[in-house]
Amino acid sequence: QQQVKQSPQSLIVQKGGIPIINCAYENTAFDYFPWYQQFPGKGPALLIAIRPDVSEKKEGRFTISFNKSAKQFSLHIMDSQPGDSATYFCAASIEGNTGNQFYFGTGTSLTVIP
Amino acid sequence: NAGVTQTPKFQVLKTGQSMTLQCAQDMNHNSMYWYRQDPGMGLRLIYYSASEGTTDKGEVPNGYNVSRLNKREFSLRLESAAPSQTSVYFCASRETSGSQNEQFFGPGTRLTVL
Repeated sequence: QQQVKQSPQSLIVQKGGIPIINCAYENTAFDYFPWYQQFPGKGPALLIAIRPDVSEKKEGRFTISFNKSAKQFSLHIMDSQPGDSATYFCAASIEGNTGNQFYFGTGTSLTVIP
Repeated sequence: NAGVTQTPKFQVLKTGQSMTLQCAQDMNHNSMYWYRQDPGMGLRLIYYSASEGTTDKGEVPNGYNVSRLNKREFSLRLESAAPSQTSVYFCASRETSGSQNEQFFGPGTRLTVL
């Protein structure tokens, strides 16, 4: 059973566009929601993360929107660039749980066309 | 500071052969993780170690064993490899004290079982 559901599976946008990737979860005990970026042949790297006490977090061109009541969160990439072409994963975990499990979405392959 | 290192980078096995994937981190993290990544499946947790001397099963532990050799090293063993274990394997580590939640990933091991 997929704990975190991610969509779309793939996304193609023009340079300057705003791709949006969505994730949904069921377990209301989750309280830490990171997004990871992965380039081909590399391991995932943390991009940005949010806790459910805020509805939005921005870091540079990357923004997470969080809707606690809907149990959904999304990643927006402003002014997207070809260098943003990568696979993006959302995840969820229970903070404070020693050695806690992280549950990942299935990933979104983003292509930004110059 | 190398972060998380994994060996080997690539491996081809025949069905029934055994091998050990090595992982080491130099960040003095308490928790370490083994994931497998398959197309369309995202990252799935195989085993994790909350601290030195402890290991626990994740979502997909069957066919694998692990050893937390010391605080730095966490190895994954395939006793009798099967084609279904063809995958990319990632090791990760995380600090569990304070409010740190970021997982740091290694570069991955690409395993093919014929």
